[in-house]
Amino acid sequence: EAGVTQFPSHSVIEKGQTVTLRCDPISGHDNLYWYRRVMGKEIKFLLHFVKESKQDESGMPNNRFLAERTGGTYSTLKVQPAELEDSGVYFCASSHAWGTQYFGPGTRLLVL
Amino acid sequence: AQKVTQAQTEISVVEKEDVTLDCVYETRDTTYYLFWYKQPPSGELVFLIRRNSFDEQNEISGRYSWNFQKSTSSFNFTITASQVVDSAVYFCALSEALYNFNKFYFGSGTKLNVKP
Repeated sequence: EAGVTQFPSHSVIEKGQTVTLRCDPISGHDNLYWYRRVMGKEIKFLLHFVKESKQDESGMPNNRFLAERTGGTYSTLKVQPAELEDSGVYFCASSHAWGTQYFGPGTRLLVL
Repeated sequence: AQKVTQAQTEISVVEKEDVTLDCVYETRDTTYYLFWYKQPPSGELVFLIRRNSFDEQNEISGRYSWNFQKSTSSFNFTITASQVVDSAVYFCALSEALYNFNKFYFGSGTKLNVKP
């Protein structure tokens, strides 16, 4: 069984540009989560999808971040426009309804 | 408020030594889950263990063991006879509600260096 995959693995952009991160969950997992780790600090929750619906988006930093999960399969997280403080590692995880969350390898975003 | 504290930022040991990674948590809920994840140099977070708040039995899996103590709100992780392959960042996490893993609260991680 394939694990959670994320694309790209790395992204370097300039301040003000737009970046879109993609996450493909484990097949059959309705729950999809986005997390972020900034500057070696703790990994922080961003939001949670159940199928295509946003269940909890309390961790989204501001309206420059937009997450979508059309069709309840893969998800995208767009940052527009990117700021320096958005640099970090963005993790995606997926799970069954009451299961353990399985994480992807992360996307390392650097905003210059 | 919910909080997970991993006070050890970085630990270095020599191969075959035992090492314990500390995790202390705070929660107002009586029903919660605790987790440990390993992040090797490749970057992905690898699931190691999940414990629920009603089960304080310690668990052993090979060289890994976990000590859950509700009285001290701790969920410590011990690696016996450490190996170089154990070198990684280890994260402790808390999730509330028995039937809804909707949000993880992570500690800041402990980087373990195992030297040959």
